Amino acid sequence: GAGVSQSPRYKVTKRGQDVTLRCDPISSHATLYWYQQALGQGPEFLTYFNYEAQPDKSGLPSDRFSAERPEGSISTLTIQRTEQRDSAMYRCASSPSTGELFFGEGSRLTVL
Amino acid sequence: AQSVTQPDIHITVSEGASLELRCNYSYGATPYLFWYVQSPGQGLQLLLKYFSGDTLVQGIKGFEAEFKRSQSSFNLRKPSVHWSDAAEYFCAVGVTGRRALTFGSGTRLQVQP
Repeated sequence: GAGVSQSPRYKVTKRGQDVTLRCDPISSHATLYWYQQALGQGPEFLTYFNYEAQPDKSGLPSDRFSAERPEGSISTLTIQRTEQRDSAMYRCASSPSTGELFFGEGSRLTVL
Repeated sequence: AQSVTQPDIHITVSEGASLELRCNYSYGATPYLFWYVQSPGQGLQLLLKYFSGDTLVQGIKGFEAEFKRSQSSFNLRKPSVHWSDAAEYFCAVGVTGRRALTFGSGTRLQVQP
């Protein structure tokens, strides 16, 4: 696609529910990243994919967080048993070989 | 591990005035350096990047940044600010061998008419 697309843009859920966020990257980009951005902070790295491989998931805060990119294009980020501290903007970015990141508009998650 | 500091949380300048946003990094070798801008309701957009070579880097929207190794800094500058520049600005650092970028906490720019 023309840009990185994320859905949903806004998600409100109750504590304990599972949530799945979706990212559709720029079609020519092999690399896809997930970042978490708390209010008033910069984005923090969660994980990244190179096609369908996931070489680094060191930023995932707990085993409740997981990400997939099964066919090397669209990716999902799933948070199980959500907690209030999971409330944040979740940003997806894709990258060509030159290294700079192209970000989507983000998915804002609110856990009540 | 690398880190990024943006000491100014909030800056207000008058339209037409010059601007400098500070960024300091901590890393043992020469990092890759980036400035991103985030407008309300938008994703982060790359303004400019430094990988190697000329330490003065030109970016989009009239912005430039200078890499100063001795000061571990990569400050963003613009000679004349426009009202549309009001946004949040993030400095980011990348290092060899790791794909993830480390972002600073951002500087929010307000432009007065």
